[in-house]
Amino acid sequence: EPEVTQTPSHQVTQMGQEVILRCVPISNHLYFYWYRQILGQKVEFLVSFYNNEISEKSEIFDDQFSVERPDGSNFTLKIRSTKLEDSAMYFCASSEQGQGFSPLHFGNGTRLTVT
Amino acid sequence: DAKTTQPNSMESNEEEPVHLPCNHSTISGTDYIHWYRQLPSQGPEYVIHGLTSNVNNRMASLAIAEDRKSSTLILHRATLRDAAVYYCILRENRDDKIIFGKGTRLHILP
Repeated sequence: EPEVTQTPSHQVTQMGQEVILRCVPISNHLYFYWYRQILGQKVEFLVSFYNNEISEKSEIFDDQFSVERPDGSNFTLKIRSTKLEDSAMYFCASSEQGQGFSPLHFGNGTRLTVT
Repeated sequence: DAKTTQPNSMESNEEEPVHLPCNHSTISGTDYIHWYRQLPSQGPEYVIHGLTSNVNNRMASLAIAEDRKSSTLILHRATLRDAAVYYCILRENRDDKIIFGKGTRLHILP
């Protein structure tokens, strides 16, 4: 069964450094998402992406964050200058369509630790 | 976003059926009812979704009330591997994202 893959599984970085989290969505999917989950808290929506542009973003997704689909298969989340509070699990997801009948499929996440 | 209400936690015995309830009294006519689960240290996993009729798949069944104000996820024979947080989410047809609540933490007793 096709799945969403994320790399790396764990990333440790120093405060102020840039990180890029990578995702390979399911190949025929058109909608892409990033979510994050701080330890012990809810899964939070960050951004959705369709047709090479952001379709929606949350208040968390400020100017320090950016997303890109650099080629036909990868979808990346960049954090320009990491802060301690960016430490979390980051989940990528994809969906075949953007309507209610189309489920999201998630990867197993990248654990980001900012020291 | 339309909201759902779920119990914080539930317990069930292994090999017994489990019925996980969800209330969504403000559901609109075009909202789909989605269920996801999150096993420990993993990403959310899609379980099932429906609009009006009951649905079955290899993982679970979804029973939707006639007025659509509530639904129940049914695991027919729980295993220890089914211990997870289960999220009932309304996916609006005009909104491509989904929003997670706190879900129900399901404990399976051996």
